[in-house]
Amino acid sequence: AQSVTQLGSHVSVSEGALVLLRCNYSSSVPPYLFWYVQYPNQGLQLLLKYTSAATLVKGINDFEAEFKKSETSFHLTKPSAHMSDAAEYFCAVSDPGNTDKLIFGTGTRLQVFP
Amino acid sequence: DGGITQSPKYLFRKEGQNVTLSCEQNLNHDAMYWYRQDPGQGLRLIYYSQIVNDFQKGDIAEGYSVSREKKESFPLTVTSAQKNPTAFYLCASSISVNSYNEQFFGPGTRLTVL
Repeated sequence: AQSVTQLGSHVSVSEGALVLLRCNYSSSVPPYLFWYVQYPNQGLQLLLKYTSAATLVKGINDFEAEFKKSETSFHLTKPSAHMSDAAEYFCAVSDPGNTDKLIFGTGTRLQVFP
Repeated sequence: DGGITQSPKYLFRKEGQNVTLSCEQNLNHDAMYWYRQDPGQGLRLIYYSQIVNDFQKGDIAEGYSVSREKKESFPLTVTSAQKNPTAFYLCASSISVNSYNEQFFGPGTRLTVL
């Protein structure tokens, strides 16, 4: 079965520093991949998605992610963190056994210090 | 403004009571979803619906029920059979049921059992 792993439940960075949030998936079949962001007590908002068109995907707010098939990874990066980036980030992957469904990771909470 | 609304924002329930969470969308989406979010566990799919008068169980459907009488509405009932209902509940919709599609999320309902 497909699974998705987000390494690090909490990540802390200084304002202006690089943000790197890790996501690995298990399927040997290249899936659809998504990153969502959740601000406190709110729903999720799509940051970006990979659907096989290009391995480097650019999203909103200067976030980007690179699909690496050899590493089964889809890590999220941002060159310079801003205080407003503090939120929880979820990686999600399509389920090859059931194309109706997304499987979500357990989330990574990003803290940004001044 | 197009979007998804959920009500109420906070809900308190006594043990043994059924409660219904509301979800409405005006995006003209065919597909709707209910997720449960618990700390450290990410999002887990409860039920989803591809079209009016049709719905399928997700990964954790026991103790929950849904209906889809109108395209815009997908209410979730948390029954007394749900052993641990305290959680944050998120409703989402997408153009169609296909994991390629972006899911749009509502602001959530926080349910607490007293």
